[in-house]
Amino acid sequence: QSALTQPASVSGSPGQSITISCTGTSSDVGGYNYVSWYQQHPGKAPKLMIYEVSNRPSGVSNRFSGSKSGNTASLTISGLQAEDEADYYCSSYTSSSTFYVFGTGTKVTVL
Amino acid sequence: QVQLVESGGGVVQPGGSLRLSCAASGFTFSSYGMHWVRQAPGKGLEWVAFIRYDGSNKYYADSVKGRFTISRDNSKNTLYLQMNSLRAEDTAVYYCAKEQQLATFDYWGQGTLVTVSS
Repeated sequence: QSALTQPASVSGSPGQSITISCTGTSSDVGGYNYVSWYQQHPGKAPKLMIYEVSNRPSGVSNRFSGSKSGNTASLTISGLQAEDEADYYCSSYTSSSTFYVFGTGTKVTVL
Repeated sequence: QVQLVESGGGVVQPGGSLRLSCAASGFTFSSYGMHWVRQAPGKGLEWVAFIRYDGSNKYYADSVKGRFTISRDNSKNTLYLQMNSLRAEDTAVYYCAKEQQLATFDYWGQGTLVTVSS
């Protein structure tokens, strides 16, 4: 099972919106609505930001939103803030023997 | 509040063994599936293993299958990862994570570093 494909880096200015893509196959992202997104600051544990494609856990800013089309899921951060600078990973359930797969990760830079 | 605290990491020689523990509190441990996820230095997240709430089913990444064993003791609210035949490529920070629902890791520990080196 290969990792889901994410862009290595995305950048934006404060206040702008950015979108991070997560591309898989019909065996994972395209086949199930079990896509989640995680934010990780340097030296810290990952934090759940979005689950089941578009649901936000309690306490997560509504500036974060998720969607999916076909085999590609997306995380959009609107009103970009300095504190959003971090690594972001998608994850999906997969029908392969490993059951779970992460994305390659995207570094978000706030210019 | 939910807390997950990993321990047991350290330096081990190739071919050696190590057992990681994850002490859970702040939720009904026996009701939730649990995962181990690792992150090699400067690399991305890699799912390692999952165990159902009652220990009845266990799943592993191909990279660790046959070498690692996940287990849990619900009476002690503790998750374990027994790692045998360790290789240099197993060097990573190992996180335990609680599964909120299928493929959703809602709480993570702070991680424990495992270094495999001679």
